[in-house]
Amino acid sequence: GESVGLHLPTLSVQEGDNSIINCAYSNSASDYFIWYKQESGKGPQFIIDIRSNMDKRQGQRVTVLLNKTVKHLSLQIAATQPGDSAVYFCAESYSGGGADGLTFGKGTHLIIQP
Amino acid sequence: DAEITQSPRHKITETGRQVTLACHQTWNHNNMFWYRQDLGHGLRLIHYSYGVQDTNKGEVSDGYSVSRSNTEDLPLTLESAASSQTSVYFCASSQGVRQTQYFGPGTRLLVL
Repeated sequence: GESVGLHLPTLSVQEGDNSIINCAYSNSASDYFIWYKQESGKGPQFIIDIRSNMDKRQGQRVTVLLNKTVKHLSLQIAATQPGDSAVYFCAESYSGGGADGLTFGKGTHLIIQP
Repeated sequence: DAEITQSPRHKITETGRQVTLACHQTWNHNNMFWYRQDLGHGLRLIHYSYGVQDTNKGEVSDGYSVSRSNTEDLPLTLESAASSQTSVYFCASSQGVRQTQYFGPGTRLLVL
């Protein structure tokens, strides 16, 4: 089965609120993680990544948190906007996994309520 | 700006026909990948290449082939299309091993 999964398939938030999308991974050897955003009819778009030597990384309105102890990854989106509506995937990678070792989760659909 | 493109964006074909999907990137990336995306399965790796003349099988490679004659292109061929190959196909590229993969816009393929 999938080694990367998401807790909630759909997340609905009010415009302007903060969103938190969660991801659990099972491979303790994973040391590189990526979040992608996929809008309807488009390809996945890179948002932010983090390596296992970090606990937190911030981008523009987004923050990724990594908790290696419980093998949990989260994506926080600040001040959610309508354009944030999309499916969000996490992906993990580990050395020796082959093909860059990327394993993708199935995705969480983020819905922004006006 | 550098980019990755796919063509065609939509394709309808019949069972048994050979189909080739094109992928072209202008980032000069060494690594290129083909995925298929289906409901309930997420992204699954079909084939990948680490450079010219290099090709490797992914998780769901049966019925597909690729060739890498230059850095920019990795065409995906369905030797004899089957209805089970109806899917959305994404091409991706990355500069190096275990670095971020950048995706194309996708090709929606329907096999009748």
